[in-house]
Amino acid sequence: TQLLEQSPQFLSIQEGENLTVYCNSSSVFSSLQWYRQEPGEGPVLLVTVVTGGEVKKLKRLTFQFGDARKDSSLHITAAQPGDTGLYLCAGGGSTLGRLYFGRGTQLTVWP
Amino acid sequence: NAGVMQNPRHLVRRRGQEARLRCSPMKGHSHVYWYRQLPEEGLKFMVYLQKENIIDESGMPKERFSAEFPKEGPSILRIQQVVRGDSAAYFCASSARQIGTNTGELFFGEGSRLTVL
Repeated sequence: TQLLEQSPQFLSIQEGENLTVYCNSSSVFSSLQWYRQEPGEGPVLLVTVVTGGEVKKLKRLTFQFGDARKDSSLHITAAQPGDTGLYLCAGGGSTLGRLYFGRGTQLTVWP
Repeated sequence: NAGVMQNPRHLVRRRGQEARLRCSPMKGHSHVYWYRQLPEEGLKFMVYLQKENIIDESGMPKERFSAEFPKEGPSILRIQQVVRGDSAAYFCASSARQIGTNTGELFFGEGSRLTVL
């Protein structure tokens, strides 16, 4: 059973387009993190959101945590080939020291 | 300013052999986590350790798998009598504070890729 569902699973777009990927759950999380992972490497933390309704911006990336702290979205404006990678969301819950990961969205941005 | 160091990066074992994966956390980090990643399955939590203590091993199979984080030296994930289904990427992560409680951020190593022939 996957606690966090990410959609779409695959996304292939042209450079300059905008995109949104989603991370949904029926469970409430105390925090939610987004990571990016490139082939052969470990995930790299992009952002942590902790408050329902919170919005964080990181250059062209905008992260939002749902009001009920069950879902999150990542919006990328004017995507670039360097944005290509696997985007993972991970939720922190009541079990200390443990994150629950979604399966990820594989983004490919073509020049 | 070294990050989380894992070795070996790649390990090939035959069925029935033992695999030992090592992880040195970031300097100053006392919390270590092991995750397993299978293709298209995402990262699955295995075990959470602090120095000399296993805090949560609920994600780790009870047989053949063990983990330790001694007072001195790296954390070790040990898989005995490996089977083909153990083939995966094993990631270690560390944090300065406990995660899952809004207080800690996780830093991952580059992973150890185990192939069982």
